[in-house]
Amino acid sequence: GESVGLHLPTLSVQEGDNSIINCAYSNSASDYFIWYKQESGKGPQFIIDIRSNMDKRQGQRVTVLLNKTVKHLSLQIAATQPGDSAVYFCAAPRGNFGNEKLTFGTGTRLTIIP
Amino acid sequence: DSGVTQTPKHLITATGQRVTLRCSPRSGDLSVYWYQQSLDQGLQFLIHYYNGEERAKGNILERFSAQQFPDLHSELNLSSLELGDSALYFCASGVDLSTGNTIYFGEGSWLTVV
Repeated sequence: GESVGLHLPTLSVQEGDNSIINCAYSNSASDYFIWYKQESGKGPQFIIDIRSNMDKRQGQRVTVLLNKTVKHLSLQIAATQPGDSAVYFCAAPRGNFGNEKLTFGTGTRLTIIP
Repeated sequence: DSGVTQTPKHLITATGQRVTLRCSPRSGDLSVYWYQQSLDQGLQFLIHYYNGEERAKGNILERFSAQQFPDLHSELNLSSLELGDSALYFCASGVDLSTGNTIYFGEGSWLTVV
């Protein structure tokens, strides 16, 4: 079946370094992707999104890259800080009209080493 | 603050009981989604309402039901509770995923069944 958000489960990065979190998806018809950050005991927080007509989108300290050829996207966080420690999910809409639900993977737990 | 409000934040109840979780979406959002997250698990889609009507259903148990009211707030009803129903229940709201508008999550309702 279709899948989205196939992540490496954990990633440890030194404070101040850049981190890259990767995500793979299987449905080539997916045209919209969203990255969320979830801190322990809190709700998922929207970070950045990208539509399939773009290859790259930048936010504040974050960049999302989309490679439709290999069905892969990545979230880059520049100059990581302790507050970046969280679980990161990529997600994509699913459904007949592309809006019935948002499907999440299991996420990547990012740990920032002081 | 995402603008999505969920109550109660924490709830402890006994097996066999029934509880109601409430969600107030962001102003102007017609869609409300409910998700379940068990300990260290991903986000499992339960149900989606759009402007008062059920739009999509996930793996929602028959003991669970939801509705969206004319003022667009939503309630998730969980009955005949079992120990395995202990989880974080999230509500999210949005305009329309199919047009590239993301959904925003509340802080969740933490349900503990004892």
